[in-house]
Amino acid sequence: GAVVSQHPSWVICKSGTSVKIECRSLDFQATTMFWYRQFPKQSLMLMATSNEGSKATYEQGVEKDKFLINHASLTLSTLTVTSAHPEDSSFYICSALTLPSQYFGAGTRLSVL
Amino acid sequence: AQKVTQAQTEISVVEKEDVTLDCVYETRDTTYYLFWYKQPPSGELVFLIRRNSFDEQNEISGRYSWNFQKSTSSFNFTITASQVVDSAVYFCALNTGGFKTIFGAGTRLFVKA
Repeated sequence: GAVVSQHPSWVICKSGTSVKIECRSLDFQATTMFWYRQFPKQSLMLMATSNEGSKATYEQGVEKDKFLINHASLTLSTLTVTSAHPEDSSFYICSALTLPSQYFGAGTRLSVL
Repeated sequence: AQKVTQAQTEISVVEKEDVTLDCVYETRDTTYYLFWYKQPPSGELVFLIRRNSFDEQNEISGRYSWNFQKSTSSFNFTITASQVVDSAVYFCALNTGGFKTIFGAGTRLFVKA
């Protein structure tokens, strides 16, 4: 099946720094990618939809300036958590759409100290 | 509006027992896709099955089986002869072709040896 690579898998950073997470579709092109956030023992919450060559569409309540998304090519989308704070600590998961299926990355566990 | 309800928050069974995970969905669309994913402690989502709205056939894959009933808007998942390795969180999800995938809250399954 299709593979989505997400990197890094785990990151620890100091409060105030920015963290970039990469999501790559390895063997297919994805015009649409999604970014989810998952708190412990909770479900996946869609943060934004990333479309190649255009601005991302953010879900209600998600800060655009805090979570910068760039979908630079058909195989790469990045999520940058800017000026991270402890409350941004979470599990972030990306996925790539190739209808009718959606493939998920392995996730990135972010811990902000 | 689309919605996925997994009423069972946690289920605990003893190894070799059969267990059914319930999923009820809501959508006004006539074309949609339903999914089940497994999320082990590592966090990576494992795709289990996709079913489109026009295919109500039940499916069996090894110890796994799925019962899709449009009349009750349900897409239940049964594990036969459960094993300890089945312990995980299981998510039911709905995609109506509008790209967004809506996840249920998840059911945490504990299988005791």
